[in-house]
Amino acid sequence: ETGVTQTPRHLVMGMTNKKSLKCEQHLGHNAMYWYKQSAKKPLELMFVYNFKEQTENNSVPSRFSPECPNSSHLFLHLHTLQPEDSALYLCASSQSDRYQETQYFGPGTRLLVL
Amino acid sequence: AQSVTQLDSHVSVSEGTPVLLRCNYSSSYSPSLFWYVQHPNKGLQLLLKYTSAATLVKGINGFEAEFKKSETSFHLTKPSAHMSDAAEYFCVVSVHGSSNTGKLIFGQGTTLQVKP
Repeated sequence: ETGVTQTPRHLVMGMTNKKSLKCEQHLGHNAMYWYKQSAKKPLELMFVYNFKEQTENNSVPSRFSPECPNSSHLFLHLHTLQPEDSALYLCASSQSDRYQETQYFGPGTRLLVL
Repeated sequence: AQSVTQLDSHVSVSEGTPVLLRCNYSSSYSPSLFWYVQHPNKGLQLLLKYTSAATLVKGINGFEAEFKKSETSFHLTKPSAHMSDAAEYFCVVSVHGSSNTGKLIFGQGTTLQVKP
């Protein structure tokens, strides 16, 4: 499989559930990102990892917990979410986290919190 | 502060006619600028990228964009629209941070409708 993959593609969870989103990149990149895309709002950067180290946390609530075990995998652990967290969650990767680098996006996980 | 403004939330064209999607940016540094496209229920796909080389950038699927520093604009164009071009288009500026790191600032998006 090539590019950036995300699983699951769709997720429905209750506010008391715990779930995880998975992202895998097959591009040999060193930086990975989580974005949130809500209806009627621009994409929001959530987290950045470079060489497995978190380099950016964009004031994200602690109910979202990222994990980057290696440069190819990125997880987003979810617990006690709110209905307003329903959105499309996009993962991206790039060669590095330098500003000139192109980011390549996965297809996203569509999350619905009931 | 860096920002991106897409001047039209919706653009409707007829198949075979030109496409113009407008974008203005604000950046303290020489910016890197991107256009991404998002088809329904899909992730974002890079159309083209500007990084201080040629000001006219050619991308995939016949799209191109011109960087105009004096106008702080990076409009996306295509000579002839195809039905498959119907999608959401995002203009993006890369913000230069400390240690040469950066992050992307996305515009609000422009929905392109192509009528037969």
